[in-house]
Amino acid sequence: SQQGEEDPQALSIQEGENATMNCSYKTSINNLQWYRQNSGRGLVHLILIRSNEREKHSGRLRVTLDTSKKSSSLLITASRAADTASYFCATDRSPLMDTGRRALTFGSGTRLQVQP
Amino acid sequence: EAGVAQSPRYKIIEKRQSVAFWCNPISGHATLYWYQQILGQGPKLLIQFQNNGVVDDSQLPKDRFSAERLKGVDSTLKIQPAKLEDSAVYLCASSLVRLSEAFFGQGTRLTVV
Repeated sequence: SQQGEEDPQALSIQEGENATMNCSYKTSINNLQWYRQNSGRGLVHLILIRSNEREKHSGRLRVTLDTSKKSSSLLITASRAADTASYFCATDRSPLMDTGRRALTFGSGTRLQVQP
Repeated sequence: EAGVAQSPRYKIIEKRQSVAFWCNPISGHATLYWYQQILGQGPKLLIQFQNNGVVDDSQLPKDRFSAERLKGVDSTLKIQPAKLEDSAVYLCASSLVRLSEAFFGQGTRLTVV
């Protein structure tokens, strides 16, 4: 089963605009990660935010985490055509509520298309 | 630093045949993951190893899938017998510290006909 669910499923914007993607999850986590996948480079790690952090920045990326709402958002500012890809959130889900056995579980992804 | 190596890159087999995938993680990475990614979906975790022990294999169809990690390094994933619905990309990933940044291989695209 998928732990995270991204929203929207697909997003199309113009180059230079900002893109915001959201992720919701169900169980408690220690950290949440965002990954990008395009046909050329496969799955690549973007950023990791811990459960005791609320916001994190990396270049044009800004990630927020709200553990009370079990949700996270990824903001890409000043988007470029090269940002066209699928974006996934991943959490360290505890299978069967066994917190001693956390596994890295991905959501269903947001497909971002940046028009030049 | 060398990345995660997977082979083969592509495989086409008939249903009911068997197939094996190989993964060599980044040197020193204790955690190894196998994911199945069906077109248009997110990666689905099949099995997670910590060194050569299994952390989670709750979504591995154990009647047909098996995986092992010998000596806590290389890993193989086997499907026997394959079904049409097994057509997917099989991704291997590794991380230095459990549940930290994961590095992915290019994957093996399996087509079952």
